[in-house]
Amino acid sequence: KNEVEQSPQNLTAQEGEFITINCSYSVGISALHWLQQHPGGGIVSLFMLSSGKKKHGRLIATINIQEKHSSLHITASHPRDSAVYICAVRSGGSQGNLIFGKGTKLSVKP
Amino acid sequence: EADIYQTPRYLVIGTGKKITLECSQTMGHDKMYWYQQDPGMELHLIHYSYGVNSTEKGDLSSESTVSRIRTEHFPLTLESARPSHTSQYLCASSEDKRTYQETQYFGPGTRLLVL
Repeated sequence: KNEVEQSPQNLTAQEGEFITINCSYSVGISALHWLQQHPGGGIVSLFMLSSGKKKHGRLIATINIQEKHSSLHITASHPRDSAVYICAVRSGGSQGNLIFGKGTKLSVKP
Repeated sequence: EADIYQTPRYLVIGTGKKITLECSQTMGHDKMYWYQQDPGMELHLIHYSYGVNSTEKGDLSSESTVSRIRTEHFPLTLESARPSHTSQYLCASSEDKRTYQETQYFGPGTRLLVL
């Protein structure tokens, strides 16, 4: 079992829908990252969370440290949101390396 | 936008060849990383560096080697490529903030196919 599990693995939505991607982890962490990977392979960091909630545009990320769970929400989804969304956690204190989930492939249809 | 570059973007090569994947960043970051990612799978750390002349092996065993002679440059070398090395290789860098708040910036990746 991976230390970082994401669900769903694949998600297809219609433009405008509200989307939720989930991430559960089984290790103690100092931070959790949400990343976006485009078809060409490039990865962009969306959020870094250690508690609570962050919002950037149409993206919202939440984390519940006690439940070891984080969610990434996309409001008013758009075809350009189509990408793989990756959850990664930093374990072992501030100098720990990142542990990655397998990603959730999102496809938003017009 | 991150200033981290990888070349080549795509490489098809025969078994037994020596290859070097280049990674450069212009942000002055001390920390650099190499990840390997198979299709549909998670990223695995294969090498990292905390600065010039510092290199460490990552969580995933790899037959590749790295060097860090200059801050901005972190090349990865395979002495004798094999089909099992076919994968995507992603380079990343981050400031050494010594806190959990550091963000990694990723390059565009190199897709390697060994025939």
